[in-house]
Amino acid sequence: AQTVTQSQPEMSVQEAETVTLSCTYDTSESDYYLFWYKQPPSRQMILVIRQEAYKQQNATENRFSVNFQKAAKSFSLKISDSQLGDAAMYFCAYLTQGGSEKLVFGKGTKLTVNP
Amino acid sequence: DSGVTQTPKHLITATGQRVTLRCSPRSGDLSVYWYQQSLDQGLQFLIQYYNGEERAKGNILERFSAQQFPDLHSELNLSSLELGDSALYFCASSVALTSAQETQYFGPGTRLLVL
Repeated sequence: AQTVTQSQPEMSVQEAETVTLSCTYDTSESDYYLFWYKQPPSRQMILVIRQEAYKQQNATENRFSVNFQKAAKSFSLKISDSQLGDAAMYFCAYLTQGGSEKLVFGKGTKLTVNP
Repeated sequence: DSGVTQTPKHLITATGQRVTLRCSPRSGDLSVYWYQQSLDQGLQFLIQYYNGEERAKGNILERFSAQQFPDLHSELNLSSLELGDSALYFCASSVALTSAQETQYFGPGTRLLVL
């Protein structure tokens, strides 16, 4: 079974600085999808970024980018120019394939942005 | 706004009772997923429906059941409620036609409190 590990329960960053959140996963599949979701205090789950495993190029979405290392099974999220609104829980998720497209989530990293 | 709607937003009930949570997917999405978020278990996949049929089951208790109707909305039924069922229940939807369209978009969740 696939597992997702986020080793940093909490992280903090100064406004306008850059922070990297770590995620590792375990799978025997060769083709899969990875996601980062953001959960602010409102508890809404918001998609941040998506990465297809077959793509070598790292995904980017404005200030958010990933460092996808397939061989190492690592999928970190970099937030540049951090803003107060980035404060939230961040969840790394693996999408299983083969008839059951469920998301397997890590336990999350709580990001605090200091003014 | 993800386009996925869930009702009610909050639900307070007593042990032993039965409740129904409702989800309407994004327009055009055929697949609906239910997830439970609790403090001790984190985010866990419960069940997936695709175009009216059950497609995958996760850690869903026998006291819980779900269905997807012809108009594609879904209901999650929780019965014989226990204190430990208190959690945030999310519905997500995706097109689920090909693996390239498997991004899941989450509703705002239903917060269930069992007293």
